[in-house]
Amino acid sequence: EVQLVESGGGLVQPGESLRLSCVASGFTFSSFAMNWVRQTPGKGLEWVSAITGSGDSTHYADSVRGRFSLSRDNSKNTLYLQLNSLRAADTAIYYCAKGTYINGGHFDYWGQGTLVTVSS
Amino acid sequence: EIVLTQSPATLSLSPGERATLSCRASQSVSSYLAWYQQKPGQAPRLLIYDASDRATDIPARFSGSGSGTDFTLTISSLEPEDFAVYYCLQRSSWPITFGQGTRLEI
Repeated sequence: EVQLVESGGGLVQPGESLRLSCVASGFTFSSFAMNWVRQTPGKGLEWVSAITGSGDSTHYADSVRGRFSLSRDNSKNTLYLQLNSLRAADTAIYYCAKGTYINGGHFDYWGQGTLVTVSS
Repeated sequence: EIVLTQSPATLSLSPGERATLSCRASQSVSSYLAWYQQKPGQAPRLLIYDASDRATDIPARFSGSGSGTDFTLTISSLEPEDFAVYYCLQRSSWPITFGQGTRLEI
């Protein structure tokens, strides 16, 4: 059974940093791209970032490029999202989502999300 | 950036009725379009991928069609558990984008 478990969310002040983690199980982690998607409470979905299975290529939404950094440790089946220079607009539930190919694909499994709140 | 526009924003129907949800792309996404269902307090669930392929364990009442810029999600006969928010997603080009959602309500 595929499982994705996010952690690391919390309350931070504007300008501060946070690191989110997503631990995966039930599939060969290194064989699939991984993504982060966020959702402002009560609003729609926004794709944030993606990384290939090998970790050699990443993509970012314009809204986070230069502030967020995505990485993975395939030996630990773990995906990381480093969030720097956080803004109130980054407040959201952050979901990790599994891709269907090593280099991308749609998102077939999602975690339950971790809430990030940026407020002074 | 490819913009996905979903219509209607809200669809009010009753159990047993047929639901037709639309997703229009600002430029062609070929067949690289997926549909998701989201219920309150839950993560999105994949329903349809590559425009018309049903995901694992998705009931046959859900079907997808379209290619290029115009796509449709059809629910042939609504069950009570189908009332939720539905999103389309395109993966044709970066950045990946979602539609704004259609709320299906009783």
